[in-house]
Amino acid sequence: AQTVTQSQPEMSVQEAETVTLSCTYDTSENNYYLFWYKQPPSRQMILVIRQEAYKQQNATENRFSVNFQKAAKSFSLKISDSQLGDTAMYFCAWVNYGGSQGNLIFGKGTKLSVKP
Amino acid sequence: AAGVIQSPRHLIKEKRETATLKCYPIPRHDTVYWYQQGPGQDPQFLISFYEKMQSDKGSIPDRFSAQQFSDYHSELNMSSLELGDSALYFCASSRRSSPRGYTFGSGTRLTVV
Repeated sequence: AQTVTQSQPEMSVQEAETVTLSCTYDTSENNYYLFWYKQPPSRQMILVIRQEAYKQQNATENRFSVNFQKAAKSFSLKISDSQLGDTAMYFCAWVNYGGSQGNLIFGKGTKLSVKP
Repeated sequence: AAGVIQSPRHLIKEKRETATLKCYPIPRHDTVYWYQQGPGQDPQFLISFYEKMQSDKGSIPDRFSAQQFSDYHSELNMSSLELGDSALYFCASSRRSSPRGYTFGSGTRLTVV
């Protein structure tokens, strides 16, 4: 069975600094996507960044970037120039595609606090 | 761009009552998913539909049922509600051929009293 592990339940960072959130996953599938979702106190699930497994180039979205290590099954999120609005729960998620299942497998989440 | 629409946003029900949650997926998305997220928990997959047929089942209680209609909207029916059913219920949609556009709705917050 596929699993996603986020080993950091809570993290904190000073405003304007850089922080990296860890995620590892276990799968024998070849075709999959990885996502990072942000869930602020409003509890809306907001897509931060996604990575297709077949792409070697790491995805970037403004201040957010990932370090995707397919062989190591690692997918960490780097947030640069942290802002107070980045305070939220962050979930790493995996999904297979092309098969019969398409539900996301989530990690337990990392609660990030950005301090002024 | 159109998003996934869920209604209602908030719902308060008493124990043993019935609740119906609705989800309108993004146009041309062929798959709808339902998730349940308890307080302080990660979202748990309940059930999915592909082209209006049930596709996969997760940890959905027998008291819950769901269906997808001809216009692709989906409804989650929850009967004999229990206090433990209080949670945030998300609907998401995507194209099965590529989950690149996997999109969540804003969720329905269900409180059972």
